[in-house]
Amino acid sequence: QVHLQESGPGLVKSSETLSLTCTVSGGFISSYYWSWIRQSPGKGLEWIGYINNSGSTDYNPSLKSRVTMSVDTSKNQFSLKLTSVTAADTAVYFCASGGGPYVEWITPWGQGTLVTVSS
Amino acid sequence: EIVMTQSPATVSVSPGKKVTLSCRASQRLARDLAWYQQQPGQAPRLLIYGASTRATGVPARFSGSGFETEFTLTISSLQSEDFAVYFCQQYNSWPLTFGQGTRVEIE
Repeated sequence: QVHLQESGPGLVKSSETLSLTCTVSGGFISSYYWSWIRQSPGKGLEWIGYINNSGSTDYNPSLKSRVTMSVDTSKNQFSLKLTSVTAADTAVYFCASGGGPYVEWITPWGQGTLVTVSS
Repeated sequence: EIVMTQSPATVSVSPGKKVTLSCRASQRLARDLAWYQQQPGQAPRLLIYGASTRATGVPARFSGSGFETEFTLTISSLQSEDFAVYFCQQYNSWPLTFGQGTRVEIE
C-alpha cells in the first residue's frame, strides 16, 4: 500500500521560496503520476500540478509562473518549489498519487504539512 | 477552468438517516467526477470516481450518480464516522478543480 509523507519548512518568509519534498513508500515512483494540492480556508482545495517519473509536468495556470516540480527516482521522492511566496500561499500542502493522465482521481494523499508565510 | 459548485454548504442530519449532497459543474464532464471525504485534521480520502464507482474499502452505503453537469453523493444511513466534509473534484480537463465542500453535521 502506497504511503506518502511531506517534509519541509513550516515557516517561509514572504518573497522567498517554499520547498517541500514528498517521500513515497510501499510503491515505486515510476509507476504513477504524482500531484501537489494545497488547502487554505480562503481558497479551499487547489490542485497545484503533477509530475511523473520521467519529469513530465503540468501546472495550474494560476501558479505556473512560480511553480517547479521535480522527481528523484533513486530516492522515491518528488518535490515542489514555489517562488515569491506571499501570505496567500499559506496553506496545508498535500502530496498525493494521481491527478495525471490515466488516473485522474487522487489517492492516496499524504497527511499534509502546514506552511505559513510570514512577513 | 471548470468551476465546481456544491450544495448545501452545511447539512444537519441524524444518525441512521439518509443524506444527498449535490455537485454542479460549469461545463460538461461526462462522468469524470470524484468524491472525497475529509475528517478534521486529516487528508481527504477518495470515496467515488467515475461518478459512481466506489473506491477500494468504501462502504456500500456511499453511492454516487450523475452525468455531465449534475452529480450527487448519497449516504444511505449515516454512521458516526460519516460526519465530515465532502468534496467533489472534476478531472475532465486540467487544471483539476474541486468544489468548496459540504459539511455533514450531527442534527
